[in-house]
Amino acid sequence: EVQLVESGGGLVQPGGSLRLSCTVSGFTFSNYWMSWVRQAPGKGLEWVANIKQDASEKYYVDSVRGRFTISRDNAKNSLFMQMSSLRAEDTAVYYCARQPRKGNDAFDIWGQGTMVTVSS
Amino acid sequence: EIVLTQSPATLSLSPGERATLSCRASQSVSTFLAWYQQKPGQAPRLLIYDASNRATGIPARFSGSGSGTDFTLTISGLEPEDSAVYYCQQRSNWPPLTFGGGTKVEIK
Repeated sequence: EVQLVESGGGLVQPGGSLRLSCTVSGFTFSNYWMSWVRQAPGKGLEWVANIKQDASEKYYVDSVRGRFTISRDNAKNSLFMQMSSLRAEDTAVYYCARQPRKGNDAFDIWGQGTMVTVSS
Repeated sequence: EIVLTQSPATLSLSPGERATLSCRASQSVSTFLAWYQQKPGQAPRLLIYDASNRATGIPARFSGSGSGTDFTLTISGLEPEDSAVYYCQQRSNWPPLTFGGGTKVEIK
């Protein structure tokens, strides 16, 4: 069964840091682009960042560039997001999502999400 | 950045009726548009990719059409489990990949 499981969310103070993880199973992780997509409480979906199969390309939405870093470990079937200088507006459920072939492909498989709350 | 505008914000229909959801792009995205369904407390699920292709396991009552700037998701013969928020997403001009604001479908 194809599965993506996020972890690492929690409550953090403004200006703090957090590292999210996404562990996958049921498919060959190293064959896929991977993305992080977030959803603020009661709001819509926002793509945050993605990473190529070999990590040679990474892209970010402007609002997180320079503060968030996406990475992956193909040997451990894991995707990561290092989040720093966190702001209240980063509060959201963070989903990892698979992209079949290219960095602009649709998101065909999603995890269940992990909640990040930035508050003092 | 391509902005996607979805309408209506909310659609309230009875079981068996047809739902027509609209997504308009601020500039042409060719057919590089996807639709997702999200039920409360769940992750989104891919329904349609490249404007008109159903994703694996998606029932035939879901169909997509359109090109350029105007797109439609049609749900023929609504069922109670179709109650959800539906989002469109473009992949033509990126980064960033962008989503519409969503249409909530309520089943009476």
